[in-house]
Amino acid sequence: QSALTQPASVSGSPGQSITISCTGTSSDVGSYNLVSWYQQHPGKAPKLMIYEGSKRPSGVSNRFSGSKSGNTASLTISGLQAEDEADYYCCSYAGSSTFNVVFGGGTKLTVL
Amino acid sequence: EVQLVESGGGLVQPGGSLRLSCAASGFTFSSYEMNWVRQAPGKGLEWVSYISSSGSTIYYADSVKGRFTISRDNAKNSLYLQMNSLRAEDTAVYYCARVKGGSWISFDYWGQGTLVTVSS
Repeated sequence: QSALTQPASVSGSPGQSITISCTGTSSDVGSYNLVSWYQQHPGKAPKLMIYEGSKRPSGVSNRFSGSKSGNTASLTISGLQAEDEADYYCCSYAGSSTFNVVFGGGTKLTVL
Repeated sequence: EVQLVESGGGLVQPGGSLRLSCAASGFTFSSYEMNWVRQAPGKGLEWVSYISSSGSTIYYADSVKGRFTISRDNAKNSLYLQMNSLRAEDTAVYYCARVKGGSWISFDYWGQGTLVTVSS
């Protein structure tokens, strides 16, 4: 069982917007603005899409945005495109008395 | 161009050992924190270990503590993971990942991964 909870799957049509949630606790997501999001296509390495909650790395489309409310972080993808179909993972620092990093179980995004 | 290339994976028996390497190029390796992250077949990502830029600070996930050792050689632009007392549940693709400069636990570059299979 993963430390962060994500829906197993989400879907949307091209041009639509979708949101993927990532629920943690007051010991991880709720305590730090250190959630990152990764996109992974089959057989490929993960790619950083959002870091520190809402920041986009250079080169990542502004269709991707991140936010947080309480113990839940969210990734929103607007203007869905076929190439957005992939697995998405959230990640958070979870250290209090000891250093720890936790990932969500992943969400399969299907573009219909 | 930033490149991370893992090697050293393979088939090993339970209880055996393996040493993974990650060759870095295209950036000043000695200035960046590094991590190992693994992914079991068909499963999600799991953080394994962290090492600071100088190598002086190291952390491990509880699942590998006492069995795995992370290290780096900044002169050789290389990151390593010594894995001992391997178990079936260690079977996974192992990725080396660079921490994005100026951030905290955000992995901006990943290698292609190396597969470790623990089986008799």
